[in-house]
Amino acid sequence: AQSVTQPDIHITVSEGASLELRCNYSYGATPYLFWYVQSPGQGLQLLLKYFSGDTLVQGIKGFEAEFKRSQSSFNLRKPSVHWSDAAEYFCAVVAIHGSSNTGKLIFGQGTTLQVKP
Amino acid sequence: DTEVTQTPKHLVMGMTNKKSLKCEQHMGHRAMYWYKQKAKKPPELMFVYSYEKLSINESVPSRFSPECPNSSLLNLHLHALQPEDSALYLCASSQAQGSHTEAFFGQGTRLTVV
Repeated sequence: AQSVTQPDIHITVSEGASLELRCNYSYGATPYLFWYVQSPGQGLQLLLKYFSGDTLVQGIKGFEAEFKRSQSSFNLRKPSVHWSDAAEYFCAVVAIHGSSNTGKLIFGQGTTLQVKP
Repeated sequence: DTEVTQTPKHLVMGMTNKKSLKCEQHMGHRAMYWYKQKAKKPPELMFVYSYEKLSINESVPSRFSPECPNSSLLNLHLHALQPEDSALYLCASSQAQGSHTEAFFGQGTRLTVV
């Protein structure tokens, strides 16, 4: 079964420091991968996505992620964190539901990012 | 316009009430979703509509009743809810079904059942 693991429940970094959030997936075929960010009480905003092609993908707000098939990973990075980046981050993979060919997102448990001034 | 609009933003209802959550998108998307999210947890899929037909029901209790009146609107009718149904309800839409399910989410409805 498809699954996503985010090993770090909570991460604290200092403002201006670099950031890496880990994501590992389990999927039999070529995965379609996403990173979403959620501020408290808000909806989810798409940061970036990987469908195919270049394994290093650029997203919004200065984020990037690298797809590594050999490690089943899709880690999110940012070279310099801003206080406004404090939020919940979810990694997700699309799973196809049965014979309906309908895709649905399978989310990891999320990583809470705290930014110290 | 890449917006998914959900109303109301907050809702408090009693266990005997009937209420509805509404979701609207004007991106021409043909797949629409309801997710439920409890605090400190990831969103959990409830329903998927594809081309206005119910495509996925993740064994959701019948006190939740979805409706897709047209390709832009998605409703979630609530009746006889329990306090444990209190959560953030998120609507999302995507261009089509299948693997390339880049979903756009609304801001959610914070539901409290008393």
